[in-house]
Amino acid sequence: QVQLVESGGGLVKPGGSLRLSCAASGFTFSDYYMSWIRQAPGKGLECVSYISSSGSTIYYADSVKGRFTIARDNAKNSLYLQMNSLRAEDTAVYYCARDSRRYTGGNAFDYWGQGTLVTVSS
Amino acid sequence: DIVMTQSPDSLAVSLGERATINCKSSQSVLFSSNNKNSLAWYQQRPGQPPKLLIYWASTRESGVPDRFSGSGSGTDFTLTISSLQAEDVAVYYCQQYYSPPPRTFGQGTKLEIK
Repeated sequence: QVQLVESGGGLVKPGGSLRLSCAASGFTFSDYYMSWIRQAPGKGLECVSYISSSGSTIYYADSVKGRFTIARDNAKNSLYLQMNSLRAEDTAVYYCARDSRRYTGGNAFDYWGQGTLVTVSS
Repeated sequence: DIVMTQSPDSLAVSLGERATINCKSSQSVLFSSNNKNSLAWYQQRPGQPPKLLIYWASTRESGVPDRFSGSGSGTDFTLTISSLQAEDVAVYYCQQYYSPPPRTFGQGTKLEIK
């Protein structure tokens, strides 16, 4: 069965860095676009970044552009999000999610991880 | 960016009754190449990640009970739960994937038992 397991969240001071990881299993990871989606406490959902199946196409929300970097390692079935220059407004649960169709982006998200909490506070 | 607006923000429905949630997009999400609406619905129970219920506006994801249905086209969409069950208490989100990036979500509708 498809599983997505995030890790790497925690408490960090403003201006600090964190690296999130998402371990995928149960499907051919290299066939799918993958995304990071965040949810601030008590708030809605925001697509932060996505990466194509090969890694050649990448998108960032304006709110994180220049500070966050998405990457994937298809040999390790893993997705990453390097977060630098963190701000209080980056505090959220970060989910990794899979696009619902192989080889193409711009779909619904059919599988989500349980999420990892990032708290940015002094 | 396409803005998704849901109504109401919250509602309370009695067990066994119908629940209806609306979603409006700031522009049409009808994909001309396949004549399908790029609109999905998700359910998020407390403490859980979102779960895909409906895609292409009206196609139920595998395993989703048939009391959940989606309808609408263009800019106006509806999620209907025909007979509310206790396990349906959740926040429901619509999402467009017509104009990525970014794929945008509605603000959410909190569904409770009356």
